[in-house]
Amino acid sequence: QVQLVESGGGLVKPGGSLRLSCAASGFTFSDYYMSWIRQAPGKGLEWVSYISSSGSPIYYADSLKGRFTISRDNAKNSLYLQMNSLRAEDTAVYYCARECQGSHCSDYWGQGALVTVSS
Amino acid sequence: SYVLTQPPSVSVAPGQTARIPCGGHSIGSKSVHWYQQKPGQAPALVIYYDNDRPSGIPERFSGSNSGNTATLTISRVEVADEADYYCQVWDSSRDHQVFGTGTKVTVL
Repeated sequence: QVQLVESGGGLVKPGGSLRLSCAASGFTFSDYYMSWIRQAPGKGLEWVSYISSSGSPIYYADSLKGRFTISRDNAKNSLYLQMNSLRAEDTAVYYCARECQGSHCSDYWGQGALVTVSS
Repeated sequence: SYVLTQPPSVSVAPGQTARIPCGGHSIGSKSVHWYQQKPGQAPALVIYYDNDRPSGIPERFSGSNSGNTATLTISRVEVADEADYYCQVWDSSRDHQVFGTGTKVTVL
């Protein structure tokens, strides 16, 4: 069965960096586009970034302004999100999601990784 | 930027029908997807391409999309349907995924 498992979350000081990983299994990872979506505590869903099956093209939410970088390693069935210059407003649960084939929806989600940015 | 607006809450009695609107400019020209999120859980896709259901989603869940409003309809509502629901589209003009503001469905 499809499984997505995020790791790498935690507490980081403002201005710091963190790298999230998402381990995929149960499907041919290299065939699917992938996304990161986040949810601040008590708030709604916010799309972060999207990467094609081959690694290009890549898209980001405007609010990130170049601070985040999405990448993938199809040989390792893994998705990554490098987050730099973190701010308090980046505090959220970060979900890794598989994109539907042929449409821009997310058909499988991981359980999420909590990132807390605080001094 | 493209905005999707949902009512913060909808209340419905068990066995009745819940309708959750999602408003957006000319949303009828886009494909709309819907997610259910229960407390402490990741979101789950319940409707894609306006009115298609992933395997395992009951027929009680359906969708429609026309003009400036898309609607998720839950028929014969059950207590287990109590959750937050989000609509979502792809804004092709900016290559961005956009989520609605979310609606909390309460089963009275």
